Amino acid sequence: DTAVSQTPKYLVTQMGNDKSIKCEQNLGHDTMYWYKQDSKKFLKIMFSYNNKELIINETVPNRFSPKSPDKAHLNLHINSLELGDSAVYFCASSRGRGDQETQYFGPGTRLLVL
Amino acid sequence: AQSVTQLGSHVSVSEGALVLLRCNYSSSVPPYLFWYVQYPNQGLQLLLKYTSAATLVKGINGFEAEFKKSETSFHLTKPSAHMSDAAEYFCAVRRDGGFKTIFGAGTRLFVKA
Repeated sequence: DTAVSQTPKYLVTQMGNDKSIKCEQNLGHDTMYWYKQDSKKFLKIMFSYNNKELIINETVPNRFSPKSPDKAHLNLHINSLELGDSAVYFCASSRGRGDQETQYFGPGTRLLVL
Repeated sequence: AQSVTQLGSHVSVSEGALVLLRCNYSSSVPPYLFWYVQYPNQGLQLLLKYTSAATLVKGINGFEAEFKKSETSFHLTKPSAHMSDAAEYFCAVRRDGGFKTIFGAGTRLFVKA
């Protein structure tokens, strides 16, 4: 069973389009995250939710909007896509938001904006 | 603010040789430290973590890391590299109550036959 799953795995789209990436975890975790990994492999936190409540909201364009319908799901919607949004987006989850918690990552969504 | 620095964006070793990946952290309080591994086209997975118990931490796949407060280091080692160890390795720090994990820039490990 896949612990953290993301769909789609690949996403190729035109500039200006709106797209969504979905994430689901079946680990029973309370906390979920979105990360962006750029072409140099640098990994940066974007958002985090704990029990459906937003707890981390980094400085990202407001074209990015997370949504957590329940504890097991955290989706990412991106409006008006730009070339610079091309990256790999990872969803992750952890049992809680404590500093010692291990994060479990999904396989990533490779977004290419043309 | 917390940060981690990984020395060397690329490390190349021969199969069977010692693996040493370096990580130095900056934190005003004792941190929690992690090493994650990312295989090609996959997400990250935890290798090991330091949570202020033993300073020598053993992880999966024969890896271990030692927390040295005096050197603010948490270097990752493995006595004998295997071809399957070729991957990207990330050191990470967390301890400010801000629920945020700060990742290093990563070190790509190449293993030569």
